[in-house]
Amino acid sequence: SQKIEQNSEALNIQEGKTATLTCNYTNYSPAYLQWYRQDPGRGPVFLLLIRENEKEKRKERLKVTFDTTLKQSLFHITASQPADSATYLCALVPNGGFKTIFGAGTRLFVKA
Amino acid sequence: EADIYQTPRYLVIGTGKKITLECSQTMGHDKMYWYQQDPGMELHLIHYSYGVNSTEKGDLSSESTVSRIRTEHFPLTLESARPSHTSQYLCATRGGAGLGSGELFFGEGSRLTVL
Repeated sequence: SQKIEQNSEALNIQEGKTATLTCNYTNYSPAYLQWYRQDPGRGPVFLLLIRENEKEKRKERLKVTFDTTLKQSLFHITASQPADSATYLCALVPNGGFKTIFGAGTRLFVKA
Repeated sequence: EADIYQTPRYLVIGTGKKITLECSQTMGHDKMYWYQQDPGMELHLIHYSYGVNSTEKGDLSSESTVSRIRTEHFPLTLESARPSHTSQYLCATRGGAGLGSGELFFGEGSRLTVL
């Protein structure tokens, strides 16, 4: 069956450290993969997109990697801040597809 | 400044009532989506639209219906609400020319509670 898996356990880190979140998928051939941030009671907000032919993408303190052999994406937040505390959602769009499929997200807590 | 608006943000109603969740966008995007999300769970696609007069069912079966008479509006209707419909409903749009290109822009969501 097709699945997108993110670590269901919350990630707790100290301010200033790098947070690394994992997204694994099975039985998909994604055209590209996206990461979103979702705060409690709010809609998700788009952060980054990485295409199947790209290995790495950066935006300010954010970095995303994409390994289509391992079927995995890693999402990094460097120099993390308490304001980065949120749920981070991995999403993919299958090749030739129209729909965006989401993982359940990983909750990140950054302590001051 | 939000470009996609959902109303109401919160709704508590009794079983059997008809409800309509409104979604409006000012970005001129053709593609619009409705997702359903329970706390701590993934978003499930329940409806989508390619453009005016186009509606399709998503991956998660839903008793709701949608319409797309105008580009700007994509309302979702439940003819007879039940407690099992209690959830957060999120509307989204996508720009871009390709079928699957571009990021999703989400509204703030409508949290529905059916007693």
